[in-house]
Amino acid sequence: DAGVTQSPTHLIKTRGQHVTLRCSPISGHKSVSWYQQVLGQGPQFIFQYYEKEERGRGNFPDRFSARQFPNYSSELNVNALLLGDSALYLCASSLLGTGISEQYFGPGTRLTVT
Amino acid sequence: QKEVEQDPGPLSVPEGAIVSLNCTYSNSAFQYFMWYRQYSRKGPELLMYTYSSGNKEDGRFTAQVDKSSKYISLFIRDSQPSDSATYLCAPDNNDMRFGAGTRLTVKP
Repeated sequence: DAGVTQSPTHLIKTRGQHVTLRCSPISGHKSVSWYQQVLGQGPQFIFQYYEKEERGRGNFPDRFSARQFPNYSSELNVNALLLGDSALYLCASSLLGTGISEQYFGPGTRLTVT
Repeated sequence: QKEVEQDPGPLSVPEGAIVSLNCTYSNSAFQYFMWYRQYSRKGPELLMYTYSSGNKEDGRFTAQVDKSSKYISLFIRDSQPSDSATYLCAPDNNDMRFGAGTRLTVKP
């Protein structure tokens, strides 16, 4: 079975641009979460979606948005990119949306903003 | 005060050593405590999780939780070069709050 897949693997954008990152969860998983990991730090929670509804939101500005599709794949959108948005963006899927449902992480999308 | 504090290291040990990795947390509402391992250029993978206080053992790994002092530990016995990675602690209360991660290098 395929694990969590993310696309693209690498991306270079300039300040002010918009970016869309994509994630496909493990088959059967209904929850997708997004994290931002800056070099040398742990992942920071951005969003969680379960059954296409937003279940949680971290402390990120409104420039960050996400959605989950009927097939449970997800997109993370970031508008008006800033240099500080340069990071590894991780997607994680889990069977359930709450509690101790184990999260499986994808390899991430490395975004560089110049 | 950050919700999860973790010494970023780096920590370098010889092969076969016992490794102790530690985290503290501030939110007494946290119920589940997890350790993730992240190899370079990979996403984190769940190593172990515990609920409430006490110890949990899985092979060479032991997770320990002390809720009274809000202290979480991961012990690795007979450490191997393949254990070289960043270890992230994550007390959980429905959303994930990761520590900064401790980079571990096990030298042959």
